[in-house]
Amino acid sequence: QKEVEQDPGPLSVPEGAIVSLNCTYSNSAFQYFMWYRQYSRKGPELLMYTYSSGNKEDGRFTAQVDKSSKYISLFIRDSQPSDSATYLCASASGGYNKLIFGAGTRLAVHP
Amino acid sequence: DTAVSQTPKYLVTQMGNDKSIKCEQNLGHDTMYWYKQDSKKFLKIMFSYNNKELIINETVPNRFSPKSPDKAHLNLHINSLELGDSAVYFCASSQDGARADGYTFGSGTRLTVV
Repeated sequence: QKEVEQDPGPLSVPEGAIVSLNCTYSNSAFQYFMWYRQYSRKGPELLMYTYSSGNKEDGRFTAQVDKSSKYISLFIRDSQPSDSATYLCASASGGYNKLIFGAGTRLAVHP
Repeated sequence: DTAVSQTPKYLVTQMGNDKSIKCEQNLGHDTMYWYKQDSKKFLKIMFSYNNKELIINETVPNRFSPKSPDKAHLNLHINSLELGDSAVYFCASSQDGARADGYTFGSGTRLTVV
């Protein structure tokens, strides 16, 4: 079992839809939870970062972490074609931690 | 003024060759990383250096050898390249290895072994 599980999709939605992306993790020591966005042939860029449980909102993006169920979510409101990319969830524990990535979900938002 | 830059961007080489990938960051970060992304987009850490000291060394064949001449540079040398080494290699850096919120990735080196 991978430490971070993520459905690779692809996920195709119409412009303006609300998108829900999810991951589960198995390591109880994880404290840091991130979402990265990766456009084709580019490096991942940090989209959202959460420490421990809770919600975090940034514009059209909301990240949620539920440590009791080991569930990580990213919601995208009013999705745009420019949101079309691969979204990677990642988790880490403390110390000189390494990021453990999910497989990435490919999202396509069509006009 | 690219934050994390890798060279080359593309690398096509024959099996058995030795090649190097270079990485430089101008963010003043203390920690640098090499990640490998396979054809299914799965990103996995290979190495991490903090202030030129190796701190993470995952189960990677010893044909792969990282070198950090200073904290702004982390190079990756690969000996005796194999077909299975074909992947995209990403360099990343962060200010403090103890925090996971500040990773900046380079744009990747697409390695194809033929």
